Amino acid sequence: SQTIHQWPATLVQPVGSPLSLECTVEGTSNPNLYWYRQAAGRGLQLLFYSIGIDQISSEVPQNLSASRPQDRQFILSSKKLLLSDSGFYLCAWSVSDRASEQYFGPGTRLTVT
Amino acid sequence: GEDVEQSLFLSVREGDSSVINCTYTDSSSTYLYWYKQEPGAGLQLLTYIFSNMDMKQDQRLTVLLNKKDKHLSLRIADTQTGDSAIYFCADFNQAGTALIFGKGTTLSVSS
Repeated sequence: SQTIHQWPATLVQPVGSPLSLECTVEGTSNPNLYWYRQAAGRGLQLLFYSIGIDQISSEVPQNLSASRPQDRQFILSSKKLLLSDSGFYLCAWSVSDRASEQYFGPGTRLTVT
Repeated sequence: GEDVEQSLFLSVREGDSSVINCTYTDSSSTYLYWYKQEPGAGLQLLTYIFSNMDMKQDQRLTVLLNKKDKHLSLRIADTQTGDSAIYFCADFNQAGTALIFGKGTTLSVSS
């Protein structure tokens, strides 16, 4: 069966510091991968999605970036965090060959101080 | 652009039925989805409906789809305290590449 992992589970970082959040998927190959951010009262905002290694689309211009160094690994990064980057970051995957449901990881709670 | 709208809060008593409503703008999706999020956790796929169906029933859950009005609803029968959570309606973006979510409806169940 497929599983999706995210780490760390929680993170407190000062403004201006770098960020690296990791997501890995097991039990499937060539998945579509997604990063969402959930801010209080604002629902889920799609940040990035990837249909393959080195194929990443950005949905919202911001100081975040995403990379996919391996087929089942998706990393969200920032060089300098802003207060507004605080939120709950969720990684998700879906089957690649069709528009299908997405399965979510447990999330990372990021607080920028 | 694509948009999914939901009411933000719903409060019911244990044993009552809950109805969570959603409207969407993009009508080209093959499926529409409902997800559940418990506190501090990721989203769990609850159920979905194929776009050529009007209704789907799955145990205590009933999904109704009105394509003409672009309205989707989730009915939970015999609501329990364990159903307290945030419920998200989701539709695909126009490109069909990712799900777009509503802001979520917080369901509060009192005993």
